[in-house]
Amino acid sequence: SQQGEEDPQALSIQEGENATMNCSYKTSINNLQWYRQNSGRGLVHLILIRSNEREKHSGRLRVTLDTSKKSSSLLITASRAADTASYFCATGMDSNYQLIWGAGTKLIIKP
Amino acid sequence: NAGVTQTPKFQVLKTGQSMTLQCAQDMNHNSMYWYRQDPGMGLRLIYYSASEGTTDKGEVPNGYNVSRLNKREFSLRLESAAPSQTSVYFCASSETGGLYVQYFGAGTRLSVL
Repeated sequence: SQQGEEDPQALSIQEGENATMNCSYKTSINNLQWYRQNSGRGLVHLILIRSNEREKHSGRLRVTLDTSKKSSSLLITASRAADTASYFCATGMDSNYQLIWGAGTKLIIKP
Repeated sequence: NAGVTQTPKFQVLKTGQSMTLQCAQDMNHNSMYWYRQDPGMGLRLIYYSASEGTTDKGEVPNGYNVSRLNKREFSLRLESAAPSQTSVYFCASSETGGLYVQYFGAGTRLSVL
C-alpha cells in the first residue's frame, strides 16, 4: 500500500504563478524525496530532504518537511510551461530498501 | 552517460505469452528495482534487489519473476502474461536502498491482449 498521498490530485495554474503541492505520509521516515515525471517518460529526481531538515531549496523549488504532522510541501515559484508534469513524493525509511510512493499531483501550466 | 537502460520500449503480447524485460545500469549502483505504473497511479514495487545476488518481493510480485544477473543487470520475466499486467514498467537503481536517490529508465509500455 502507498504511504504518501499527494494533494491536490491535479492543479492547473497560469504561467508565472507559484504552484504548491502537498504530501502526507504515515510512518517515521529517514528522508522524503520529490520526483517529476513528464508525460510518457521516466521519473526524474528533484530534491531530497532528510528527516532532521525542515526546509530545502533548489533553484525555483522549495521543499518543507514537518515531521510532527508527517507532511511535506513542494513549492515551484514562477512556473513555466516546461513545469507541466506529474510530481510524486516518496519516503525512505532506515530499515527498508524501498521507497514508498504517493499517487502524484498532475500539474498543468497554462500559457 | 546512459544511466538506466530498459529494453524494449514497447511490447504487445497475447494472453499466455512470456517475455523478459531487460534493465541495465552503468552507475555501479548496488540496488535495483522493478515498478509498474498504471494510469493515474503512482509506482508499485514488483521486486527489488538490494545487492548483487539477492532479490526480494515488493508490493505486487504475483505473476512475475526476476533475475539479478550481475551488478549491472536486473531482468523481469512474465511467464504467462495476463491482461491485468498491461502497464508501464520502470526499472530503477540506487546506491543503497531507500536512503538514496533512485534513477529511472525510460520505461517499457506493455499491452497484453
